[in-house]
Amino acid sequence: GQQLNQSPQSMFIQEGEDVSMNCTSSSIFNTWLWYKQDPGEGPVLLIALYKAGELTSNGRLTAQFGITRKDSFLNISASIPSDVGIYFCAGPDYGGSQGNLIFGKGTKLSVKP
Amino acid sequence: DAGITQSPRYKITETGRQVTLMCHQTWSHSYMFWYRQDLGHGLRLIYYSAAADITDKGEVPDGYVVSRSKTENFPLTLESATRSQTSVYFCASSESSRGYTFGSGTRLTVV
Repeated sequence: GQQLNQSPQSMFIQEGEDVSMNCTSSSIFNTWLWYKQDPGEGPVLLIALYKAGELTSNGRLTAQFGITRKDSFLNISASIPSDVGIYFCAGPDYGGSQGNLIFGKGTKLSVKP
Repeated sequence: DAGITQSPRYKITETGRQVTLMCHQTWSHSYMFWYRQDLGHGLRLIYYSAAADITDKGEVPDGYVVSRSKTENFPLTLESATRSQTSVYFCASSESSRGYTFGSGTRLTVV
């Protein structure tokens, strides 16, 4: 079945550094979503990508829809302490019911002030 | 207030007890979902619903029961709680696969 592989699993960075993480799949996706989960809260949608090659920004966050349609990337520039959390990628579950998403296992980000 | 709300926020229950986690959304979204989140496993789908009175199993449905008599509510019941069901449970709703909105979660401890 479809699987999304996120890397790295965790990151420990210094405040002010840039961050890069990615999500890969063996299947083609036509939508990529990036979520962030703050400690103790539910995931919140950050960025949605709908077209191969698309580059979309949300403040200091930039996400890209890979041209192969099998990967996506999320970059955070000039990290700050509130960037701490778990970042999930997600895509439509083509093998399941319409409306379902599948999620990667997440990248846990820790930021040292 | 518009949104998706889960209750309770925290729950401690004993092994063998029945417990129900509530989820309510105000948007009339067609789709609703229940996930559990455990360290090392990410988000795992328990049950989902495409509309009122339509529910289906996800990846880890054993030991759980759901119902959806009204579009806005999607309660999750643990019929006889076990320690392995200690987890954080998230409800979500959506109108399409273009993005879910999650609740704040219920942290359940089974002792």
